Amino acid sequence: RKEVEQDPGPFNVPEGATVAFNCTYSNSASQSFFWYRQDCRKEPKLLMSVYSSGNEDGRFTAQLNRASQYISLLIRDSKLSDSATYLCVVNNLAPSTGFQKLVFGTGTRLLVSP
Amino acid sequence: DTGVSQDPRHKITKRGQNVTFRCDPISEHNRLYWYRQTLGQGPEFLTYFQNEAQLEKSRLLSDRFSAERPKGSFSTLEIQRTEQGDSAMYLCASSMTGGRGGGSPLHFGNGTRLTVT
Repeated sequence: RKEVEQDPGPFNVPEGATVAFNCTYSNSASQSFFWYRQDCRKEPKLLMSVYSSGNEDGRFTAQLNRASQYISLLIRDSKLSDSATYLCVVNNLAPSTGFQKLVFGTGTRLLVSP
Repeated sequence: DTGVSQDPRHKITKRGQNVTFRCDPISEHNRLYWYRQTLGQGPEFLTYFQNEAQLEKSRLLSDRFSAERPKGSFSTLEIQRTEQGDSAMYLCASSMTGGRGGGSPLHFGNGTRLTVT
């Protein structure tokens, strides 16, 4: 079983739609979680951290369910510019060295059409 | 621009040649990571430095790969006797100590795309 699993998509949605991505992780000791966005042939860029209480940043909402080891990302009112791959990232921290083993999912591809 | 910078952006080399990549992290970041990404996959961890100390290495990092971070500033990743399977995007990232929940987000450079022919 992969440490982080995502549906690769692609998700094809019209502009203005609401779309949700899910991600599951296998290590129950994982401490922190992130969503990264990656455009084609570019580097990953941090979209948002995911907190236990859930958090929102404009049109984006992230949620974490530790009991089910499940992370979600909701995008409301999709824009053409939201087209990208969204990477779910799980962080396992080794306190003694500060080493953060970030494990990336394969990403979910989103295509927003006019 | 005070982000992570990598050089070169692209490298084409023949099988068997050695290549070296450079990464300059964000200046106040003491942690530096190297990742590798192939098409359709997420980035895979290769190695980690805290200041100048290389504290973690992935099993993906064969003995043909070596990384250094002299003086705890920039880092280099060298691949000796390149193979076609080494073709990938090599990403460098840096972060600060701390962060909420113990995790500080990584900031990636724009990567070096290696093609081995």
